[in-house]
Amino acid sequence: AQSVSQHNHHVILSEAASLELGCNYSYGGTVNLFWYVQYPGQHLQLLLKYFSGDPLVKGIKGFEAEFIKSKFSFNLRKPSVQWSDTAEYFCAVTPKAAGNKLTFGGGTRVLVKP
Amino acid sequence: NAGVTQTPKFQVLKTGQSMTLQCAQDMNHNSMYWYRQDPGMGLRLIYYSASEGTTDKGEVPNGYNVSRLNKREFSLRLESAAPSQTSVYFCASSEVWTGIDTGELFFGEGSRLTVL
Repeated sequence: AQSVSQHNHHVILSEAASLELGCNYSYGGTVNLFWYVQYPGQHLQLLLKYFSGDPLVKGIKGFEAEFIKSKFSFNLRKPSVQWSDTAEYFCAVTPKAAGNKLTFGGGTRVLVKP
Repeated sequence: NAGVTQTPKFQVLKTGQSMTLQCAQDMNHNSMYWYRQDPGMGLRLIYYSASEGTTDKGEVPNGYNVSRLNKREFSLRLESAAPSQTSVYFCASSEVWTGIDTGELFFGEGSRLTVL
């Protein structure tokens, strides 16, 4: 079975700082990769996804993620964060064509100070 | 459109009591899911329904049962609640179950359950 590791549990930043959240997965085959975000008091929503092609994918709100196959990583980045980026971020993976049984990482809580 | 709606949003139970979490989606999605979210553990799949009429166990099914009542509704039942089931429960849906480019789930707002 696949697993997902998010190395940072809590991150505190000031506005305009750059953000990078690590995500590594373990699975030998091809996968679909996702970042979901949960803003305070809201439901989880999709931030971005990678299925194939260009390993640098762009999502909503200025976020991007890079898939590095050799490192089994899918790190999330944002060059300049805003207070409104305060949220919990989840990395998720599912093997291709194996159904929507997403495996989620433990999440990273990000607090952006104004 | 409401998307995915869960009820109740909050519930406190005593050990041994039973309850059902209700979930409905209005997006005409084929697949539905129940996850639980615990601090530091992310979301773990309890049960899923790939299509109307089918249900299957996920990663942590023990202590739970599900019913796919129709295409819209997918309920989660705790027959005899235990403190270990204290968690936030999320229902989700997706357009399809399988395919090369699947994986986008649409989540409800969550149901916070406390078992004393």
